[in-house]
Amino acid sequence: DTAVSQTPKYLVTQMGNDKSIKCEQNLGHDTMYWYKQDSKKFLKIMFSYNNKELIINETVPNRFSPKSPDKAHLNLHINSLELGDSAVYFCASSVLAKLYNEQFFGPGTRLTVL
Amino acid sequence: ELKVEQNPLFLSMQEGKNYTIYCNYSTTSDRLYWYRQDPGKSLESLFVLLSNGAVKQEGRLMASLDTKARLSTLHITAAVHDLSATYFCAVVADSNYQLIWGAGTKLIIKP
Repeated sequence: DTAVSQTPKYLVTQMGNDKSIKCEQNLGHDTMYWYKQDSKKFLKIMFSYNNKELIINETVPNRFSPKSPDKAHLNLHINSLELGDSAVYFCASSVLAKLYNEQFFGPGTRLTVL
Repeated sequence: ELKVEQNPLFLSMQEGKNYTIYCNYSTTSDRLYWYRQDPGKSLESLFVLLSNGAVKQEGRLMASLDTKARLSTLHITAAVHDLSATYFCAVVADSNYQLIWGAGTKLIIKP
C-alpha cells in the first residue's frame, strides 16, 4: 500500500551514461514533483506536473527531462550523467488546489556518478 | 522572490531540555509546512499551518505561525533521543503554489 514509490532506490553509474528514475503514486493526487537533495541536505525543486502538464520547470540542465505518461506517474530521464548529478532525487505528489496541498514524498533514489 | 531562512542550522542538545527552531520567510504566504527527515530516509510531513496564530501540537513538538512577523517556530519540549532528525520548514509561493524550502535544522539529542 505504498503511497509514493520510486525505482530504483540506488543507482550507481559511470559519467556519460543515460539513466532513468521512475515514480508512481497511488494517492489519486493530480500533481507530482521531482526534487534534488544535495550532500548538504538542501532541497531544490526541479520539475512539477499537474494533470500531465508541466507547471514548474526550474533552471536545471536540459540533460534532465521529465515525462508524465499519466497523473499517477512521473519519470525522470538524465542524459550524459556528470559527477555533479550525484545526489538523492525525491519524487513527491499532492493535490494542488486543496487547501493543505501537503506534499507526500517517495523514499528517494540515491544516484552516484563515478 | 520568496526566501525561507531557518535557524539554527545545527542544534545539539541534551535529553530533557526544551528548545525552539525558527523559520523566517520574506514575503506573504498563507501556508507553512514542517517536515522531518531521518538520516537516509524520506521526508515526513509534521504540521501544516494555514492561518495567523495557528498552533499545532503532536507529542513533544509544537508548531506556531505568526503571518504578520512572517515567522514560524517549532518548539521541542523535554527532548528525547528519538526526535533526532533534520527538520525543514517550507512556505508556499502564492504565484505558482511552489514550495520554497528552508535549509533544514539538523537536531541531535544526546542521551
